[in-house]
Amino acid sequence: EPEVTQTPSHQVTQMGQEVILRCVPISNHLYFYWYRQILGQKVEFLVSFYNNEISEKSEIFDDQFSVERPDGSNFTLKIRSTKLEDSAMYFCASNQGAAGYTFGSGTRLTVV
Amino acid sequence: QKEVEQDPGPLSVPEGAIVSLNCTYSNSAFQYFMWYRQYSRKGPELLMYTYSSGNKEDGRFTAQVDKSSKYISLFIRDSQPSDSATYLCALPPNAGGTSYGKLTFGQGTILTVHP
Repeated sequence: EPEVTQTPSHQVTQMGQEVILRCVPISNHLYFYWYRQILGQKVEFLVSFYNNEISEKSEIFDDQFSVERPDGSNFTLKIRSTKLEDSAMYFCASNQGAAGYTFGSGTRLTVV
Repeated sequence: QKEVEQDPGPLSVPEGAIVSLNCTYSNSAFQYFMWYRQYSRKGPELLMYTYSSGNKEDGRFTAQVDKSSKYISLFIRDSQPSDSATYLCALPPNAGGTSYGKLTFGQGTILTVHP
């Protein structure tokens, strides 16, 4: 079964450093997303991406965040200057239709 | 008012019990709803997808929608230890039925089924 692949599974970074989280969505999907889940809290939407541009973003997705699809397969989330409160699980998802949302296993980001 | 609310539990039941998980939502225009299951340190996976009111059954799982009360439920029959996970209700991108866009998740209910 097709899956969304995320790397790395765990990233530890120092406060103020830049991190790039990587995702390979399902190949024939056209919409891509990043979600975040702080420990013990709900899964929160960050951004959606379609046709090489952001289609929607939440208030969480400020200037410190950016997304990119550098080639035909990868989809990345960059955090320019990490803060302690950025520590969370970050999930990439892609979809084709409402029943077709598929999430990756996530990257656990720890900012120290 | 939050778009969707869900009792976070935790819920602990013995193996074989019937489990009832519930969410309420605020916008009566929504037409379909989703339930996701999330195992520890994994991403959410779609469990069930229901449209409009009534019941939908899939094996041991039944999803129920009561649009008059804006209440959605997931029932698990003959619960198994492997059902231990967090269960998340989710609203689709918008009430108009567009298939693309953000999902809005409930808080998630942590379920433990003990042998």
